[in-house]
Amino acid sequence: NAGVTQTPKFRILKIGQSMTLQCAQDMNHNYMYWYRQDPGMGLKLIYYSVGAGITDKGEVPNGYNVSRSTTEDFPLRLELAAPSQTSVYFCASRDLGTGYNQPQHFGDGTRLSIL
Amino acid sequence: AQKITQTQPGMFVQEKEAVTLDCTYDTSDPSYGLFWYKQPSSGEMIFLIYQGSYDQQNATEGRYSLNFQKARKSANLVISASQLGDSAMYFCAMSLLLMDSNYQLIWGAGTKLIIKP
Repeated sequence: NAGVTQTPKFRILKIGQSMTLQCAQDMNHNYMYWYRQDPGMGLKLIYYSVGAGITDKGEVPNGYNVSRSTTEDFPLRLELAAPSQTSVYFCASRDLGTGYNQPQHFGDGTRLSIL
Repeated sequence: AQKITQTQPGMFVQEKEAVTLDCTYDTSDPSYGLFWYKQPSSGEMIFLIYQGSYDQQNATEGRYSLNFQKARKSANLVISASQLGDSAMYFCAMSLLLMDSNYQLIWGAGTKLIIKP
C-alpha cells in the first residue's frame, strides 16, 4: 500500500531558485496538508486543502504556493528559495470524519536545504 | 490560544521498563482530539494513538495507552514493556477545528526517547 508518496526525498537549492515538492495519495482522501518541521521542533502547517480546487493558508504560508487539481495530488511550490526555508517538509492526508478524530497519514518527508 | 506542551526534551529508559511521556494542552474548545505520533531516526511520522475529548475511557493500542486527565488537561502516553525499537522522537498533537469539518494539528516540541539495552 503506497499511502502518501512524496518526491523528492532530498534536495539542495540555491538561494533564489524555485522548485515543486510533489505529494500524491492513493487513499481517496479529501483532506490534504503540507507541514514543515524545523530542527528540534514540532510541525507547522503551511497550506491545506479540503478537496480538488480548494486550498487555504495555514500558519506559515509565506514563500509557498499550492494547487489541488485532482483528489490525489497536492504539490507545494517554493518561489525564490530563501535559507529560512531549509526544513523537512511533510505532506499528510486524512479521511472524512466528524472533524477532530481522524488521524492524519504522513508521507516520508522531503529534506530541503537552501544554500 | 491553543497550545501543546511536552516538558521532557529527552528520556533514557531501560529496556522492558514502562515509560510515560508527558503532554499537557490548552484549549477552550469543547471538541478536540489528542494524538501521539512516533518519528524514528529515519524521519517518517507514524500515528500511534488517539483520544477524543468526549471519550470516557482511556485509549489503548497494543503496548500504547493514553492516560487522559481532562480536568488537568493532560494526555500522557504510556508505553509498556519498552523495546529497543521504541527509541525515537514522540510528538503529542491536538486538533484545532478550522471549518467544514477540517482541522489543523497543533504540535508539541517532542520528546526524544532512548531505550537502553
